[in-house]
Amino acid sequence: DADVTQTPRNRITKTGKRIMLECSQTKGHDRMYWYRQDPGLGLRLIYYSFDVKDINKGEISDGYSVSRQAQAKFSLSLESAIPNQTALYFCATSMTLGLGTDTQYFGPGTRLTVL
Amino acid sequence: AQSVTQPDIHITVSEGASLELRCNYSYGATPYLFWYVQSPGQGLQLLLKYFSGDTLVQGIKGFEAEFKRSQSSFNLRKPSVHWSDAAEYFCAVGANDKIIFGKGTRLHILP
Repeated sequence: DADVTQTPRNRITKTGKRIMLECSQTKGHDRMYWYRQDPGLGLRLIYYSFDVKDINKGEISDGYSVSRQAQAKFSLSLESAIPNQTALYFCATSMTLGLGTDTQYFGPGTRLTVL
Repeated sequence: AQSVTQPDIHITVSEGASLELRCNYSYGATPYLFWYVQSPGQGLQLLLKYFSGDTLVQGIKGFEAEFKRSQSSFNLRKPSVHWSDAAEYFCAVGANDKIIFGKGTRLHILP
């Protein structure tokens, strides 16, 4: 079984709909992250969490919210989806490494299309 | 602010040829540096990482990278590429609480 799983893998929705993307991990890592990937822009950080009570905004958090339901689960919500949120979304996990950031382990991604 | 630059958006090499993908970073302290690979339709997989010590780092799939502090670079190399190496490659720097990714270099392999 994969260490980091994302559901759904693909989703097509309409403008204005609420969407939730879910991420689960079995690696026992404290840190979890949500990124979006757009062609030519690389990965951009949306939100990250260091534990259940610690949620932080990334560089592009507007229009998104998150919930860390447990150490192993980190959900991303689009309250009212818009077409420019069409992208590939990745969840990632990592351990804490001193003051730095250790290797991130990625899920397979969710391809979201907003019509 | 921390940043990562991958100057080449696309690179094409012939199968069996050597490869070097460039990465430059901006970070005030000693960086944690990573190279990830993303095959079509897949998530990102770690190729190698540098935290400290020997500046030449060996990774999976025959890749290596060299940290050069004086040039703020962490270039990825492979002596002989295989068709299966066609993918997108991301350089990243670990900056305190986060990892910052470059925009990626897409590698094309000619038969």
